[in-house]
Amino acid sequence: VLTQSPGTLSLSPGERATLFCRASQRVTGNYLAWYQQIPGQAPRVLIYGASGRAAGVPDRFSGSGSGTDFTLTISRLEPEDFAMYYCQQYGDSPFAFGGGTKVEIK
Amino acid sequence: QVQLVESGGGVVQPGGSLTLSCAASGFTFSTYAMHWVRQAPGKGLEWVAFIRPDGGNKFYADSVKGRFIISRDNTQNILYLQMNRLRGDDTAVYYCAKHNFAIDSWGQGTLVPVSS
Repeated sequence: VLTQSPGTLSLSPGERATLFCRASQRVTGNYLAWYQQIPGQAPRVLIYGASGRAAGVPDRFSGSGSGTDFTLTISRLEPEDFAMYYCQQYGDSPFAFGGGTKVEIK
Repeated sequence: QVQLVESGGGVVQPGGSLTLSCAASGFTFSTYAMHWVRQAPGKGLEWVAFIRPDGGNKFYADSVKGRFIISRDNTQNILYLQMNRLRGDDTAVYYCAKHNFAIDSWGQGTLVPVSS
C-alpha cells in the first residue's frame, strides 16, 4: 500500500512543492515512479526509479528517497504544474498507485 | 512515435463480459511489458494487470483476480483485457500502458460503464 500526503497542497506559482509517498513495505529496487495527471488527460511519467527524471521533464521536478519513504519536489511551481500527482511502485506485484496529491492554486 | 489505441469499451450489464483491445504501434511491441490501468469517474488511478513481453508471466490486482484475463498477440501487436463477471465498481476508464522504466506511454483510454 502506498500512502500519499498531503491529499491537497495549496500553493502559489513560484513556490516550492514537496509531495510524499510512503510504502507499507520496502519498495524492491526503489522502483518507485511519479506521474502527473491533468484533468481530462492520460497521466505522464515524471520520475522513475525514485530519482530518474523521464525524458522531456523539466529539471524543476526531482525525486528522492529509498526504502519506504519517497519525495517528489517541484522547485518552483509553474502554472502548468497545478495538477494531480500519483506515485506507483513497480518492484513487486501488485504494482499499486498511491491515492494521489492534488496541487492547487492558492 | 508510440501509439496505443484502446477499443471495445461500452455499456455492459452487471454480471456481463467485455473484452478490451489495445493496438500498439511505433515501437517493438514484443519486447515490452504492458499494463492495464483504470480510473473510476472522479477517482484515482488503479493498477489492474501486467503482462511480460513474451506473455509468460501475468499479474493482477486482487480486485480483478479470477475475473479478468490479460493477454497479448505479439504477431498483431495487440494487448487484450478479457473482463468477466463485471460489477458496478468496475466502471472506469481503462488505459493500456507500456512499461519501460515505469509506465512511459499511455493510451487515451476507453470507458466501461457497468450498469443495468
